[in-house]
Amino acid sequence: DAGVIQSPRHEVTEMGQEVTLRCKPISGHDYLFWYRQTMMRGLELLIYFNNNVPIDDSGMPEDRFSAKMPNASFSTLKIQPSEPRDSAVYFCASRNRAPNTGELFFGEGSRLTVL
Amino acid sequence: AQSVAQPEDQVNVAEGNPLTVKCTYSVSGNPYLFWYVQYPNRGLQFLLKYITGDNLVKGSYGFEAEFNKSQTSFHLKKPSALVSDSALYFCAVRDIDGGYNKLIFGAGTRLAVHP
Repeated sequence: DAGVIQSPRHEVTEMGQEVTLRCKPISGHDYLFWYRQTMMRGLELLIYFNNNVPIDDSGMPEDRFSAKMPNASFSTLKIQPSEPRDSAVYFCASRNRAPNTGELFFGEGSRLTVL
Repeated sequence: AQSVAQPEDQVNVAEGNPLTVKCTYSVSGNPYLFWYVQYPNRGLQFLLKYITGDNLVKGSYGFEAEFNKSQTSFHLKKPSALVSDSALYFCAVRDIDGGYNKLIFGAGTRLAVHP
């Protein structure tokens, strides 16, 4: 199994630019999660999907952030316009519906730097 | 609300010595508890989990964790530390309030194993 695949691994952009992060979950996994990791705030859940449907987006910081999951094998997290405070490592994770014990499989992350 | 606390930002251990990384939890009901490890520039990897049953849970890389209900703790342990165990360790609890689908992570503890 290839695991959760994220791209790009690194992104450097200027303030105001649009950023799109991509995720391919493990095949057969029903749940997909987007997390953000910073030194100050630790690991924060931004949004999660079940069967491609957004279930809880209460962690999305503001309207500049949006996430989609057009099919079971692809999700995007978009920031428009980006700001320096968005600099962080963004992780995608997925898991199976059953058994529902909660174990997550994480991707390698996308390190975003907004100048 | 469910939560976990990792009281130590960093733990320093000499190679060959036993190590303990502490975690306490606060949940309503029976907890589902997890430990994850993050190596530099990598995603989080699942180490072990406690769902029910034996209070001593064995996981990957020789790690184990002891669930203590009276002390609401779930400390991670290893009898003999390796330099390669140096990493960031996260304790997590499944969020019952959130419909059982989310994991709530602690702030993380950096483990440094010295030769």
